[in-house]
Amino acid sequence: GEDVEQSLFLSVREGDSSVINCTYTDSSSTYLYWYKQEPGAGLQLLTYIFSNMDMKQDQRLTVLLNKKDKHLSLRIADTQTGDSAIYFCASKGSQGNLIFGKGTKLSVKP
Amino acid sequence: DSGVTQTPKHLITATGQRVTLRCSPRSGDLSVYWYQQSLDQGLQFLIQYYNGEERAKGNILERFSAQQFPDLHSELNLSSLELGDSALYFCASSVAPSGTSGELFFGEGSRLTVL
Repeated sequence: GEDVEQSLFLSVREGDSSVINCTYTDSSSTYLYWYKQEPGAGLQLLTYIFSNMDMKQDQRLTVLLNKKDKHLSLRIADTQTGDSAIYFCASKGSQGNLIFGKGTKLSVKP
Repeated sequence: DSGVTQTPKHLITATGQRVTLRCSPRSGDLSVYWYQQSLDQGLQFLIQYYNGEERAKGNILERFSAQQFPDLHSELNLSSLELGDSALYFCASSVAPSGTSGELFFGEGSRLTVL
């Protein structure tokens, strides 16, 4: 079935770069997404990438897509304590709904 | 503020009971999605409605049902509740059903605790 997997935890120091990785199974996904969830809040879209792109950059965020390996990554440059949150990778499923990974909890140490 | 409103924010009930969770989508959004978030299962897609019609179905139990009303608000009904139904239930909305970039706007969730 359709599945998205990502590591559960990542800890970095303030000012370092964070890289969150994700793999997905559905090769027909037209869009892939990164959502952010802060404590006590719903998910918020950070960025997305169309499947015919390899890379997308948006300020401190860089998304890399390797379609052959079905691998997606999110790089956050100059990570700040305010970036501490859970980051979800998602692919668009065959029914049009989003399929989410279990989320990577990013902890930023000062 | 995403513009998606969910009520109640917190709900505590007993096993065997029935509850209704309510969602008001963003103004102008026709699609409503329900997701269940638990520690072990992550974020599971339950069901999607578009303009009052069921459009997609995920891992929704037969004890659960949903509907979208003419004013586009949606309700998720959970019955014969079990301890394992304790979770955070999210509603999300979007303008289009699918085929576009498909950004979802999430509410803050309804936390259900079954004792």
